[in-house]
Amino acid sequence: EDQVTQSPEALRLQEGESSSLNCSYTVSGLRGLFWYRQDPGKGPEFLFTLYSAGEEKEKERLKATLTKKESFLHITAPKPEDSATYLCAVLYNFNKFYFGSGTKLNVKP
Amino acid sequence: GAGVSQSPSNKVTEKGKDVELRCDPISGHTALYWYRQSLGQGLEFLIYFQGNSAPDKSGLPSDRFSAERTGGSVSTLTIQRTQQEDSAVYLCASSRPAYEQYFGPGTRLTVT
Repeated sequence: EDQVTQSPEALRLQEGESSSLNCSYTVSGLRGLFWYRQDPGKGPEFLFTLYSAGEEKEKERLKATLTKKESFLHITAPKPEDSATYLCAVLYNFNKFYFGSGTKLNVKP
Repeated sequence: GAGVSQSPSNKVTEKGKDVELRCDPISGHTALYWYRQSLGQGLEFLIYFQGNSAPDKSGLPSDRFSAERTGGSVSTLTIQRTQQEDSAVYLCASSRPAYEQYFGPGTRLTVT
């Protein structure tokens, strides 16, 4: 049973075309939801932590939001350098993280 | 400050040989995690350490896999009698408990 589901699997955008990535989770007792960016051949890079429904975090063109069932990563006016795989992870119980399979974002100039 | 480091960065080994992968976490991070990532896939949890103890080993795929951590710092993941299906990138991450993880660059293991 999947604990964390990300959609879409892949997303192609034109530069400047805003969109959102989704991360839905089924675990209860959420202690935190984390977003990471992963470039090819590298380890994931931490972006945001969200702890409670209604919380929002922003960094440059990225904004992460959290509800009781899902999180969104909004990308405003993306640039080619935003191309990467975006991973979300949920944390509950005994410091165990569950990762989604990621959304591969490709931004065309 | 220094991030998480892993060695070797690449390892090619013959089927049936044993391999050791090393992780140096960020200083002061008491939690350490090992993950496996196959090509184009998400992260598969292997094992978690809090200090030197491993309260959760549930992700280790078989008894050929083992890990230890000494001095609350360096960790080694050992794979015995490697098989071709063990080929993947092995990622290590460290954190303060319940906080965000910081990942190393990974070790790419290829079993021929």
